[in-house]
Amino acid sequence: EIVLTQSPGTLSLSPGERATLSCRASQSVSSSYLAWYQQKPGQAPRLLIYGASSRATGIPDRFSGSGSGTDFTLTISRLEPEDFAVYYCQQYGRSPPRFTFGPGTKVDIK
Amino acid sequence: EVQLVQSGAEVKKPGESLKISCEGSGYSFTSYWIGWVRQMPGKGLEWMGNIYPGDSDTRYSPSFQGQVTISADKSISTAYLQWSSLKASDTAMYYCARHTWNYVGGHYYYYGMDVWGQGTTVTVSS
Repeated sequence: EIVLTQSPGTLSLSPGERATLSCRASQSVSSSYLAWYQQKPGQAPRLLIYGASSRATGIPDRFSGSGSGTDFTLTISRLEPEDFAVYYCQQYGRSPPRFTFGPGTKVDIK
Repeated sequence: EVQLVQSGAEVKKPGESLKISCEGSGYSFTSYWIGWVRQMPGKGLEWMGNIYPGDSDTRYSPSFQGQVTISADKSISTAYLQWSSLKASDTAMYYCARHTWNYVGGHYYYYGMDVWGQGTTVTVSS
């Protein structure tokens, strides 16, 4: 079973700064099956990135995803006040077919 | 508008049964997998399992296999998550979400859980 690890656990930054979030898999993951989500307090998660690097509908271009194999990155180029939230990566494993979320990275205001 | 609407909050006692629902609208309900995600208080997201309403093919995370049952009634575009005997540790928020896939050039591409329900809070307490 593939395990996802996210780092750091918490990232304290100021608006306007760049955020770099890491998602590492215990074994190689197809880029086609890697997604990122944002969750704000009291809200359902929202899809940000799919296929490791494709932005979902309506997601601003300050959000970008990259990576392959076991190492994936979500980058927020310039943090806006509404970007302070928890971010989760998710992968799909084919054998057996199932999904896994990482533990999350909280981006909070410094 | 594409949306998933979940049933309301529940307060139950240990040992009771429960079935919560997730109704889809604005798209072809039978053509997309519906997944269920648990979020315990103050914790992260856990994928529980999913179902393809078109043929009721169902998959479970090992952590939830045997603990819950996922089903769907395609005639009313609704998916369900049920427990036969609740425990206090089932207290959580439960989300349903649509998994979107695209088949291109002989390969399946995962487009994420792109539509989410608003969540159903389940509280189990004596």
